[in-house]
Amino acid sequence: DVVLTQSPVSLPVIVGQPASIFCRSNEGLVFSDGNIYLNWFQQRPGQSPRRLIYKVSSRDSGVPDRFSGSGSGTYFTLKISRVEAEDVGIYYCSQGTRWPWTFGQGTKVEIK
Amino acid sequence: EVQLVQSGAEVKKPGESLKISCQGSAYTFSNSWIAWVRHVPDKGLEWMGIIAPDDSDTQYSPSFHGRVTISADKSINSAYLQWSTLEASDTAMYYCSSRPRDVSVGPYFDFWGQGTLVTVSS
Repeated sequence: DVVLTQSPVSLPVIVGQPASIFCRSNEGLVFSDGNIYLNWFQQRPGQSPRRLIYKVSSRDSGVPDRFSGSGSGTYFTLKISRVEAEDVGIYYCSQGTRWPWTFGQGTKVEIK
Repeated sequence: EVQLVQSGAEVKKPGESLKISCQGSAYTFSNSWIAWVRHVPDKGLEWMGIIAPDDSDTQYSPSFHGRVTISADKSINSAYLQWSTLEASDTAMYYCSSRPRDVSVGPYFDFWGQGTLVTVSS
């Protein structure tokens, strides 16, 4: 299975400040069609997961533009340009390139 | 608009069987993968398996193969996750999600159900 390792595991942030979450894969994630199916999900307390970013850097409809994704090869980043209180939750990277799809272990974002 | 609706919470005893459901629409079920995801607090999310209701093509994660059965009924846009023998370790929240089978070009949807809490306890 593809192993995704996220860092940090816990991320205390100050409202208005930027934050970055990293995701490293143990193997390349380029699919046969040339796409990299690396997604980012947000799970707020008591809610279902919600996809924020797909194919490394494409933002889902309705997702604030303070969220952005980047990366290549085996190293990917989710950046929040200015954290807001509503961003509290657990963030997961996930790959859909190879079955079984896998998630990273999650990064818990909390407000300082 | 809610796209995927899951069945309600269940409380079962070890050794019992269980089948939970996920209902969508033709939009979310045609030409789509329906996935089941397990969430155990402090353990994160795990993809369990996927099914394409159009042809019942099913794939299981090795971690769950043989432990659960995934099925679907395309005629009523429903998917199912079932256990023949529950264990206490199956206690978790289970989510279904939907995405198109072909995602090679352009944006694509990703819908999630509200989750079904399964509690297994003697």
